[in-house]
Amino acid sequence: EAQVTQNPRYLITVTGKKLTVTCSQNMNHEYMSWYRQDPGLGLRQIYYSMNVEVTDKGDVPEGYKVSRKEKRNFPLILESPSPNQTSLYFCASSLFGENIQYFGAGTRLSVL
Amino acid sequence: SQKIEQNSEALNIQEGKTATLTCNYTNYSPAYLQWYRQDPGRGPVFLLLIRENEKEKRKERLKVTFDTTLKQSLFHITASQPADSATYLCAPGSGWAGNNRKLIWGLGTSLAVNP
Repeated sequence: EAQVTQNPRYLITVTGKKLTVTCSQNMNHEYMSWYRQDPGLGLRQIYYSMNVEVTDKGDVPEGYKVSRKEKRNFPLILESPSPNQTSLYFCASSLFGENIQYFGAGTRLSVL
Repeated sequence: SQKIEQNSEALNIQEGKTATLTCNYTNYSPAYLQWYRQDPGRGPVFLLLIRENEKEKRKERLKVTFDTTLKQSLFHITASQPADSATYLCAPGSGWAGNNRKLIWGLGTSLAVNP
């Protein structure tokens, strides 16, 4: 089944404790991105990647890091999480030349 | 700056009626516009894409229109069912490659279809 898989689905952590949210897609998509979704603010892009080893900042990159060492994986790293990073996070992928986004099920993160 | 506006108030309709959702955009000339469905706590799911040279697109009970003069897209669900209850997101885009691929997302309209 074609899908984007995020893990974990739920995460509660404390300020400053490094964490990684994994994202994997099995559709051989070149393009992947991370979003956060907050009430009243909608979906905002954090980082995106157009292919292996090619990443760039989205609208709200501060406090986040990403890497794209393999085509299928695009982890999101929070080196020192803060409470303002409490949010619902989505990973998405799409084919190059087609811009239909396929989203993961989401990761709900709470930073205490 | 680019701005996408969708009905901010929830839309409540009776089962069997047609739901019409609006997406307006300003300071923007999208090459296409997408509509997604999002259920609570879940990722958005793609529904339809309409290009700037298309006036209307249909898929089963769904219909989308795109008026570049009015800078507006309308999304219709005919013969609505309670299972159609969800938030619907509008997302215009300006290109297909590089940073032009970036979609501008509306906040969504919540639709409730009552039995």
